[in-house]
Amino acid sequence: QKEVEQNSGPLSVPEGAIASLNCTYSDRGSQSFFWYRQYSGKSPELIMSIYSNGDKEDGRFTAQLNKASQYVSLLIRDSQPSDSATYLCAVNEGNTGKLIFGQGTTLQVKP
Amino acid sequence: DTEVTQTPKHLVMGMTNKKSLKCEQHMGHRAMYWYKQKAKKPPELMFVYSYEKLSINESVPSRFSPECPNSSLLNLHLHALQPEDSALYLCASSQDEGREQYFGPGTRLTVT
Repeated sequence: QKEVEQNSGPLSVPEGAIASLNCTYSDRGSQSFFWYRQYSGKSPELIMSIYSNGDKEDGRFTAQLNKASQYVSLLIRDSQPSDSATYLCAVNEGNTGKLIFGQGTTLQVKP
Repeated sequence: DTEVTQTPKHLVMGMTNKKSLKCEQHMGHRAMYWYKQKAKKPPELMFVYSYEKLSINESVPSRFSPECPNSSLLNLHLHALQPEDSALYLCASSQDEGREQYFGPGTRLTVT
């Protein structure tokens, strides 16, 4: 059974701090890795995709991938209360369309 | 533009009803997906269509029947559902399988 694991949280950080969310996956054949943000009652919103080892930055968000360690992370700099949401790590099974989601990490940013 | 639209937003149906959920994208994406999401759980994949052909069926009960009339449209036909099928049903699309998936707003389904 291929798995994606995340700490469910809640992860609480003060406004302006860096939030660090982590994810491990079991399928060594995975090629595509994604972070989604989901507000309560809404659908998942893609915030980052990463396909190769290293860092990828987009605004306040940085995704980090280490395929040898089977580890993906998301850093959110200058966290805002509006970043409070559930963050879902998702990994493609092989190169198929099947996304395997982690259980999600709830982030709370306190003013 | 990364918009996927879904109708209806909300649906209440009895266990003997037949209804359909609709999904549309105009991004030229060739892969489309149906997911089911229960409260406080991640989305669960139901079906994948690639180039208008069903490529993945995650052993979904036959009371859910997908259809892809063309490359922009995806339907999910519902019949004889059970109360435990009540959930948020999400449609997504991507350029190809393995690429970023963009989700629609979902249809919140209640089976009475």
